[in-house]
Amino acid sequence: QQPVQSPQAVILREGEDAVINCSSSKALYSVHWYRQKHGEAPVFLMILLKGGEQKGHEKISASFNEKKQQSSLYLTASQLSYSGTYFCGTEEDTGFQKLVFGTGTRLLVSP
Amino acid sequence: DTEVTQTPKHLVMGMTNKKSLKCEQHMGHRAMYWYKQKAKKPPELMFVYSYEKLSINESVPSRFSPECPNSSLLNLHLHALQPEDSALYLCASSQDYRLAQPQHFGDGTRLSIL
Repeated sequence: QQPVQSPQAVILREGEDAVINCSSSKALYSVHWYRQKHGEAPVFLMILLKGGEQKGHEKISASFNEKKQQSSLYLTASQLSYSGTYFCGTEEDTGFQKLVFGTGTRLLVSP
Repeated sequence: DTEVTQTPKHLVMGMTNKKSLKCEQHMGHRAMYWYKQKAKKPPELMFVYSYEKLSINESVPSRFSPECPNSSLLNLHLHALQPEDSALYLCASSQDYRLAQPQHFGDGTRLSIL
């Protein structure tokens, strides 16, 4: 069963903030975040490992709560280039990589 | 530009045709993946190769046949496909098959079955 992301879609004005959530029903080893623009390849943003860590990448950061099997992606002071579809990808502790992608969140940043 | 190159970018084929999709990476990665992505849906894993050996087949129909001739190249051979197989086919690679490795994706091949 694939992870569920919320919201399904969000529209922002440039400079506004957004939070995208990813929730799994399974015990997770890690959560990946990817952004895919229309007609392009998904692009890796970051990985969070179990341990409840928080990571940052410029104005994009994320957290992972392994007890709740939830991760959140934080987009601050959004830029036009942030537009796209965001997918979380989850891994269980099976010893080998097998990503299951979430349902996706479509983000549109307007001027 | 992506570091994973997929060809062709677009492919239209009939249900009786045989065609192949090609994926190439020169990052020295030892794990390679095929995904299928329908419009407005997430990528779904099809196959995983680790050190040129098939590690995972996610119950994919036999009309899809993967091949990994060497560590840089991954092919997907197509035969007798159905209209529901129309989708974007993405290739990805990672350093190896261990957990928590970033995956690098190609731009995909958009496949249409007539």
